[in-house]
Amino acid sequence: KAGVTQTPRYLIKTRGQQVTLSCSPISGHRSVSWYQQTPGQGLQFLFEYFSETQRNKGNFPGRFSGRQFSNSRSEMNVSTLELGDSALYLCASRRGGETQYFGPGTRLLVL
Amino acid sequence: AQKITQTQPGMFVQEKEAVTLDCTYDTSDQSYGLFWYKQPSSGEMIFLIYQGSYDEQNATEGRYSLNFQKARKSANLVISASQLGDSAMYFCAMRLSGGYNKLIFGAGTRLAVHP
Repeated sequence: KAGVTQTPRYLIKTRGQQVTLSCSPISGHRSVSWYQQTPGQGLQFLFEYFSETQRNKGNFPGRFSGRQFSNSRSEMNVSTLELGDSALYLCASRRGGETQYFGPGTRLLVL
Repeated sequence: AQKITQTQPGMFVQEKEAVTLDCTYDTSDQSYGLFWYKQPSSGEMIFLIYQGSYDEQNATEGRYSLNFQKARKSANLVISASQLGDSAMYFCAMRLSGGYNKLIFGAGTRLAVHP
């Protein structure tokens, strides 16, 4: 069974640009969550989608947005990139039970 | 405030020995779940073990066990018979019953296993 996949794995952008990251959950998983990991702030929850609806959101500015498609794939978008947005962005999926399974992450570098 | 505290920034252990990674949590909720994840240098978070707040027995998964002390609000991870491949960052996390899938993570502990 394939795990959570995230594309792209690495990305370099410049300040002011926007970026879209993609996450494909494990087959059958309908819940997708996104996390940002930085050396300074650690792992922080961005948002969660279930059946195409955002049902929880972390404390991030409106520049961070996301969506989920009918096949449960999810995208997150960051507009007007800032240097501080450089991070590892992790996606996790869950079907039922307690365990969330994470993807390999997308490393974003903003120059 | 809901919080996870990992007080050991770094730990080292000799191969084949056991090691305990500390985790304390703060919540006033009665229903919650506690998790441990391993993050190698590649970045992927690997699920290790889960403990529910109402579980009376400590969770075990192979070489991993969770020492759950509810009154002290601690959920320490014990790794027995350490292997070189156990060298990684380890994160303790909490999920609250009303938080859907939101995980609150600690700062992590970097474990180095020496031969």
